[in-house]
Amino acid sequence: QKEVEQNSGPLSVPEGAIASLNCTYSDRGSQSFFWYRQYSGKSPELIMSIYSNGDKEDGRFTAQLNKASQYVSLLIRDSQPSDSATYLCAGMDSSYKLIFGSGTRLLVRP
Amino acid sequence: DVKVTQSSRYLVKRTGEKVFLECVQDMDHENMFWYRQDPGLGLRLIYFSYDVKMKEKGDIPEGYSVSREKKERFSLILESASTNQTSMYLCASIMELGLGGYTFGSGTRLTVV
Repeated sequence: QKEVEQNSGPLSVPEGAIASLNCTYSDRGSQSFFWYRQYSGKSPELIMSIYSNGDKEDGRFTAQLNKASQYVSLLIRDSQPSDSATYLCAGMDSSYKLIFGSGTRLLVRP
Repeated sequence: DVKVTQSSRYLVKRTGEKVFLECVQDMDHENMFWYRQDPGLGLRLIYFSYDVKMKEKGDIPEGYSVSREKKERFSLILESASTNQTSMYLCASIMELGLGGYTFGSGTRLTVV
């Protein structure tokens, strides 16, 4: 069974801090990974994708991928209360479909 | 931007009713999905369609069926609704598998009483 694992949280950080969200996956064949943000009662919104080892930056967000360790992370710099949400990690399996983790809830304290 | 529209945000149905959840996308996407999302269980794939009239079972198809008569529309059918089908239902689409992440609709929160 291919799995994507996330700590459910909540991860609580003060406003202005760096929030670090982590994800591990079991399928060594997974090549592409995605981070979604989901506000309470809303649907997931794609915020980052990463396809190769290393870091990818987009504004305050940095996605990191380490295929050897089967580890993906999302860093949010200068966290804002509006970043409070659940963050879903997804990996692409060998049939090109996404396998989703159950999400980590992030709380940014003003 | 791709728009994926789910016809109802909230729905309350009685046990035993036949329930239709509708999803329409406006970008000619080949692939459409139905998920349900429950606390602690994450997103679970119910059914997937890769073309008109083509479908594939996901991880939890029991109690559900789907219909895709037109490319833009993917319907999820609960043949006889039960209380354990109370959940958030999410539709998603993508043009071609392997080319990025999915776009999700706004979701339908279904309560079966």
